[in-house]
This record gives sequence, structure tokens and C-alpha cells, in this order.
Amino acid sequence: GAVVSQHPSWVICKSGTSVKIECRSLDFQATTMFWYRQFPKQSLMLMATSNEGSKATYEQGVEKDKFLINHASLTLSTLTVTSAHPEDSSFYICSASLGSVLFFGPGTRLTVL
Amino acid sequence: TQLLEQSPQFLSIQEGENLTVYCNSSSVFSSLQWYRQEPGEGPVLLVTVVTGGEVKKLKRLTFQFGDARKDSSLHITAAQPGDTGLYLCAGANFGNEKLTFGTGTRLTIIP
Repeated sequence: GAVVSQHPSWVICKSGTSVKIECRSLDFQATTMFWYRQFPKQSLMLMATSNEGSKATYEQGVEKDKFLINHASLTLSTLTVTSAHPEDSSFYICSASLGSVLFFGPGTRLTVL
Repeated sequence: TQLLEQSPQFLSIQEGENLTVYCNSSSVFSSLQWYRQEPGEGPVLLVTVVTGGEVKKLKRLTFQFGDARKDSSLHITAAQPGDTGLYLCAGANFGNEKLTFGTGTRLTIIP
């Protein structure tokens, strides 16, 4: 099946710094990618839809200036958590669509100290 | 806002027992998917059901989509420790790739 990778798999940073997370579709092109966050023992919450070549569409309650999304190519979307704070600590997961099927990345665990 | 409620939220049973997980909504979905997620990993798709009343079997797992396409169930026969994980249902609508995830069921199979 199609493979989606994320980098880094985990990151620890100090409060106030920015962190960039990459999502790549390794063997297919994806015009649409999705970013989710997942708190411990909870389900996935959609943050935004990343569209190649255009602005991302954010879900209600998600700050677009804090969670910057760039989808510069058909195989790469990045999520930058700006001025991270401890409450931003979470598991961030991306998915990429291939036809009507979504393939998920392995996730990135962000810990903000 | 479409919501998907899963029950039970937690389930811990002995190896060899049967179990059913439910996914319910007041909204209609064009399709419904079931995923299993292991700790520290992304969800892995198990099955997609698209027709009301549809039943799909995947080895010991049986998935059913409700007639009204508002609910679904996952039945596991003779559960094994390898079935342990977080089970998530997710609904989708025609022409929209966005998924609405259920609240999740954390399953633990005790050897």
C-alpha cells in the first residue's frame, strides 16, 4: 500500500520556540493532506486540510497563525507550530489522500517544556 | 457538526472471548471506516463500508454498516492479544475527503 512518512517522529523543545513537522507521501502524489492532533487516550481531531498550491483550510477553533501549514509540492506538507507552549504538547498525525482512501503517517510526538 | 460516539470507551477481556464495539451517530455518512491504532503510531485502515446494511468480514473481524448509514459495529471473535489497540471508526461524506473520527475504543486482550 501507499506510504506516508513523518519527520521527526518525536521532538522536545523549549517553550516559545517553533517546531516544523514534515509529512511526505513517498510513492504517490497527494493534492490533499490532512493534519490531526491526538491527546493521550483520545481520538484524532482534525486541525486543517492542506491543499497543494493553495491556502490550508482550518477547522473551527484552530489558530491558523499558530499552526502554519505549507503544501508546496504534491508529496510534502509541513506543519509549523509557532511559539510552542506546553499545552501544544500532543501527538500530531498527517494523512494523504490517494483517490478515496486516506493513508496515515506514523505520527510525531511533540513535547514542549 | 457530525459526531460519532463509540462504546464502550474501554474494554478489557480474556483471550478467546468475543466482543462488539459500537459506533453511533445521529448523522448519515456515505461511508464509514474502521481503523486500529497502536501506541505511538498512526491509524491503520481495517475496512471501509459504503452500503447500508453491508457486512464485511476480515478473518475474525466482522464489520456491519447500519441500514440507515448512521451506525456501525465491529465484532471480534475469539480475541487474541494481538487485537489489543485503539479502535477508531471514522465517517466520510460524498465528495469530501475529510473524516470525522469516533471517540475511540481502547481494547485490551489479556493472555
